[in-house]
Amino acid sequence: GQQLNQSPQSMFIQEGEDVSMNCTSSSIFNTWLWYKQDPGEGPVLLIALYKAGELTSNGRLTAQFGITRKDSFLNISASIPSDVGIYFCAGLRGRVTFGTGTKLQVIP
Amino acid sequence: NAGVMQNPRHLVRRRGQEARLRCSPMKGHSHVYWYRQLPEEGLKFMVYLQKENIIDESGMPKERFSAEFPKEGPSILRIQQVVRGDSAAYFCASSPPDYPPYGYTFGSGTRLTVV
Repeated sequence: GQQLNQSPQSMFIQEGEDVSMNCTSSSIFNTWLWYKQDPGEGPVLLIALYKAGELTSNGRLTAQFGITRKDSFLNISASIPSDVGIYFCAGLRGRVTFGTGTKLQVIP
Repeated sequence: NAGVMQNPRHLVRRRGQEARLRCSPMKGHSHVYWYRQLPEEGLKFMVYLQKENIIDESGMPKERFSAEFPKEGPSILRIQQVVRGDSAAYFCASSPPDYPPYGYTFGSGTRLTVV
């Protein structure tokens, strides 16, 4: 089946630092989505990408849809404590498949 | 997560009992999706339903699990004769008919603990 691998699995960063995480797939996707999950809550959509090569921003977040359509990247600039959570990539082809998640901890 | 209501938030069942998880989609949404999340793992697709129809149940275990989305009322995920391995967070998401599943909205989940 489709499998999405995210890296890193977890990261500890200092407040104010930039963060990069990526997601790779064995399959091509038509749409890439990035979600954030706070503890005890459901995932919330951050960014949606619809075209290969597309670069989209949402505040301090920037995501890119890889040219090969098999990968995507998420960057968070100037991290703040409320960025803590688990970030999931998800690919859409027929239905949505979620990645393994990147757990982000921000040290004030 | 506002709008998609899941209940209960926490559910404890003894092995062998039945668990019923409810999901009320956002107003105007006719598509419902159920996902399961084991501790420290990502979300795994279980089933996709529209009103009175199961569209894709390829992620549902073959036994003990069933789902429905009746014409009236919430979607129900039913787990019969629960076992310890069923302990997980179960999330429901919904989307309107003309916006599947581009960023559909998730509920806050039901955390099932089997003791």
